Amino acid sequence: DVKVTQSSRYLVKRTGEKVFLECVQDMDHENMFWYRQDPGLGLRLIYFSYDVKMKEKGDIPEGYSVSREKKERFSLILESASTNQTSMYLCATPGTGRNYGYTFGSGTRLTVV
Amino acid sequence: RKEVEQDPGPFNVPEGATVAFNCTYSNSASQSFFWYRQDCRKEPKLLMSVYSSGNEDGRFTAQLNRASQYISLLIRDSKLSDSATYLCVVTSPYSGSARQLTFGSGTQLTVLP
Repeated sequence: DVKVTQSSRYLVKRTGEKVFLECVQDMDHENMFWYRQDPGLGLRLIYFSYDVKMKEKGDIPEGYSVSREKKERFSLILESASTNQTSMYLCATPGTGRNYGYTFGSGTRLTVV
Repeated sequence: RKEVEQDPGPFNVPEGATVAFNCTYSNSASQSFFWYRQDCRKEPKLLMSVYSSGNEDGRFTAQLNRASQYISLLIRDSKLSDSATYLCVVTSPYSGSARQLTFGSGTQLTVLP
């Protein structure tokens, strides 16, 4: 099964800081996704990438950018963190096998103060 | 109208009970369907895919009705360990080869001793 690793479980950043969230997958998958999850709003797609240097905006890309320089790594960047970006951030890539669902990283809980 | 709608619950049931969750989706072009389970402060994990013919995995049965755009999950003989949030997930064609996942907000289940 694919393994998805997010570099930090918990982060606390100050308003205005530039924040990097890293995600690495070990199965050479083309597609990778960044979601945020908030109570009552569920998971919402921020950005996704379907190949190196290729990216597409999701439903809520404002205030975020992404980088995909290598196939295994997909980074989410908060250019200038704001308190409304306090959230749980989840990286995902398609799983393997018959079910072909998505596999998520363990998540990064970001607090912006 | 949300693309994927679920009853948020909470559902509080005694051990051994049978519980059913329902989900409706609005995009008739949706291609794949899943149920995910999410424990508190953890990432979502694939529980099972959902097929038109219906499928069963132990105590769990999933059904899909494409005509009604309706998905269900039945849990029989519920255990304390089934307590979690259950997410209904559908995929649609999005861009290139990347299929987008759209999540329901989740249904919270608590199984009581």
